[in-house]
Amino acid sequence: EVQLVESGGGLIQPGGSLRLSCAVSGFTVSNNWIMWVRQAPGKGLEWVSVIYSDDSKYYADSVKGRFTISSDKSKNTVSLQMNSLRVEDTALYYCVRGSEYWGQGTLVTVSP
Amino acid sequence: DTVMTQTPLSSPVTLGQPASISCRSSQSLVHRDGNTYLSWLHQRPGQPPRVLFYMTSERFSGVPDRFSVSGAGTDFTLKISRVEAEDVGVYYCMQLSYLPYTFGQGTNLEIK
Repeated sequence: EVQLVESGGGLIQPGGSLRLSCAVSGFTVSNNWIMWVRQAPGKGLEWVSVIYSDDSKYYADSVKGRFTISSDKSKNTVSLQMNSLRVEDTALYYCVRGSEYWGQGTLVTVSP
Repeated sequence: DTVMTQTPLSSPVTLGQPASISCRSSQSLVHRDGNTYLSWLHQRPGQPPRVLFYMTSERFSGVPDRFSVSGAGTDFTLKISRVEAEDVGVYYCMQLSYLPYTFGQGTNLEIK
């Protein structure tokens, strides 16, 4: 069974850093592409970043230079390092395989 | 960026009646590999999105037959033949043919 489980969210002050992790099972990150999608409270869905099986990485303009996606093939996890966090980064962050499999999300709240 | 425009944004429907959601992209979603990476997602309140269809017309496992899709290029439609109570929530189209991946604004399906 395919599962993605996010962790690492929390309350952080503006300018701070958080590292989100996505533990996957039922498939290997080395053979799939994984993305992060976020949803601000009461808002729609926003694509954040993607990492492909060849380790190429792409980011939304809104997070470029602040967020870094990576994968650990030995642990079968994907991480999102988020630096210089802003109030507008407050959202529920989902880990997604392709568009077919979604985690439950982890909440990031950036507030003074 | 590829802009995805959904109509309507709100759809009050009577149980047992049909519903239809349109999704239009600002450019053709035919990828250079010949595939069209358009997905339809359904999000119930308080839950993560779940995919209904991916690659335009591939039905995800467990999706009821009352859901169907059509379209190509820039114009796509999701139809529900007879709306049931469990179909309430927000429907999104998402394109994965071009980076950055983008979503429609969402269509809120509610029961009259």
